[in-house]
Amino acid sequence: QSALTQPASVSGSPGQSITISCTGTSSDIGGYNYVSWYQQHPGKAPKLLIFDVSNRPSGVSNRFSGSKSGNTASLTISGLQAEDEADYYCNSYTSSTTRIFGGGTKLTVL
Amino acid sequence: QVQLQESGPGLVKPSQTLSLTCTVSGGSISSGNNYWTWIRQHPGKGLEWIGYIYHSGSTYYNPSLKSRVTISGDTSKNQFSLKLSSVTAADTAVYYCARENDSMCFDYWGQGTLVSVSA
Repeated sequence: QSALTQPASVSGSPGQSITISCTGTSSDIGGYNYVSWYQQHPGKAPKLLIFDVSNRPSGVSNRFSGSKSGNTASLTISGLQAEDEADYYCNSYTSSTTRIFGGGTKLTVL
Repeated sequence: QVQLQESGPGLVKPSQTLSLTCTVSGGSISSGNNYWTWIRQHPGKGLEWIGYIYHSGSTYYNPSLKSRVTISGDTSKNQFSLKLSSVTAADTAVYYCARENDSMCFDYWGQGTLVSVSA
């Protein structure tokens, strides 16, 4: 079971928007709307940002948004801030009833 | 507010069994539509889903680890545990316990505990 495919790194300047992609297959992302995204700062536990493809938990900034098209999910961060610099992971439910993470994307705020 | 806390040895010898416990407060492992989950992260690497125990007691594991993993629950202590047998250096990682809710997302996490496998 290979990890979902994410770009290793993305970068952007403060105030800009960036998008992180997460590509899977019809057996995971393409087959279910159980896609979630997590933010992880160094030395910290991951934090839930997005669930069910595009829903934000209470307390998460509306600068974070999620979407899905076919087998690819995306996380968009608008109005980049220095505090957004972190690692980001996608996750999906699979047809095998397992869960699978993406390899992670390091976001650098220039 | 649900809180999770991992505990267990930080050093395990090769070929032995890694044992960790997650203590849950603010919620019951025996009720609700939740999956009490273990996830690990190798140093400098991504997240790997290990498996879960459901409130009913049923379990499900990552096929790549299935032969070595056991997750169990103790409802009297509101804890669930991970046992990983025949460990090698490749099992050195930060181990997290987490709650997966009925939207199949991990909404609460422990702070993680580093387990090193070394003689």
